[in-house]
Amino acid sequence: AQSVTQLGSHVSVSEGALVLLRCNYSSSVPPYLFWYVQYPNQGLQLLLKYTSAATLVKGINGFEAEFKKSETSFHLTKPSAHMSDAAEYFCAVSMEYGNKLVFGAGTILRVKS
Amino acid sequence: NAGVTQTPKFRILKIGQSMTLQCAQDMNHNYMYWYRQDPGMGLKLIYYSVGAGITDKGEVPNGYNVSRSTTEDFPLRLELAAPSQTSVYFCASSLRGRRTDTQYFGPGTRLTVL
Repeated sequence: AQSVTQLGSHVSVSEGALVLLRCNYSSSVPPYLFWYVQYPNQGLQLLLKYTSAATLVKGINGFEAEFKKSETSFHLTKPSAHMSDAAEYFCAVSMEYGNKLVFGAGTILRVKS
Repeated sequence: NAGVTQTPKFRILKIGQSMTLQCAQDMNHNYMYWYRQDPGMGLKLIYYSVGAGITDKGEVPNGYNVSRSTTEDFPLRLELAAPSQTSVYFCASSLRGRRTDTQYFGPGTRLTVL
């Protein structure tokens, strides 16, 4: 079975500071992992995904994530936070069969000026 | 392309009423999904469809029904609405059912049952 744990339901950073959002997964098969972002009152938008081609994945808006099998982690980072990054971020893992996603509980990112 | 569209954006129902949430996509995707989002819980899969005429249950299907008569449309039916169905509902689609395929989400329907 697949599951995802996102550590920290709320993260607050200053503008220009490093953003680090944590995601750990559990999977009985080689995992495929996704990060989605949800801006207020909008749907989810794909930031990036890990499909085993490379362990360091670059996404949109300057975000990237590194797949670490030994740590069962797929943390999301951005070197310098912008006010526009304030949103809720979801980590998800693809289930064993089909293209069904199991989501983490989400992390709300607040960016302080 | 409009992508994935959902109607209505907001709805308030009384306990026991029924309604249909509409979802449509214009990307010719085969797979479509319905999720519900509750605060602090992430998204949970309600139902999904692998093509016209084929649907299957997800993690939380109780109280809901779906149908898929065309590739484009995937409506979600709530029968006998209950307060526990107060949530934000998202429809999504993907081209295929590969585990690496990206799902594209609609803007959501915010439903309140009183």
